[in-house]
Amino acid sequence: EVQLVESGGGLVQPGGSLRLSCRVSEYSVSSHDMNWVRQAPGTGLEWFSYISGESGVTYHADSVKGRFTISRDNAKNSLYLQMDSLRVEDTAVYYCMGGHAEHWGQGTLVTVSS
Amino acid sequence: DVVMTQSPLSQSVTLGQPASISCRSSQSLVHSNGNTYLIWFRQRPGQSPRRLIYEVSNRDSGVPDRFSGSGSGTDFTLKISRVEAEDVGIYYCMQDAHWPWTFGQGTKVEIK
Repeated sequence: EVQLVESGGGLVQPGGSLRLSCRVSEYSVSSHDMNWVRQAPGTGLEWFSYISGESGVTYHADSVKGRFTISRDNAKNSLYLQMDSLRVEDTAVYYCMGGHAEHWGQGTLVTVSS
Repeated sequence: DVVMTQSPLSQSVTLGQPASISCRSSQSLVHSNGNTYLIWFRQRPGQSPRRLIYEVSNRDSGVPDRFSGSGSGTDFTLKISRVEAEDVGIYYCMQDAHWPWTFGQGTKVEIK
């Protein structure tokens, strides 16, 4: 069974940094596209980061471009999200998503507050 | 960015009755490869989203056949032929044809 397990969320002050991890089982991050999606409290979903399984090419939405970086470790079969210069509006549940949304993790909450 | 507009935003349905959700995109979701990339999800309270339909009309494994997706270009529909209690939740459409991928606002389905 495919499993995606996020970790690394928590409380951080505005301007701070956080690194999220997504440990993946039974689904290779090196051969499948992977994404990060977030959901602010009580609101809808926002896709914001993608990494190609084949080439490693990345895309980021304008809302996080220059502040967030998606990466992967093929040996550990894990996906990462480095988040810098965090803002209050980045507060959300962050989901690791496999492929074209066929697999989702359980989410990890990131709270940006002073 | 492609704007995805769902309607209605909430729907109260009697058990056993049909339900229908519309999703319209601000531009065609036909990719350069000829495929149309429109996905439907359901998110139950406190849970992660689950994909139900991909590429407009393809049901994911384990999704009951009372769920069907249809449409083309910019106009899409998710239909539930006979609503069951387990179908409650928020339904989202998402386009994965153009960067950035974008979601509809969500449609809350509840039982009357």
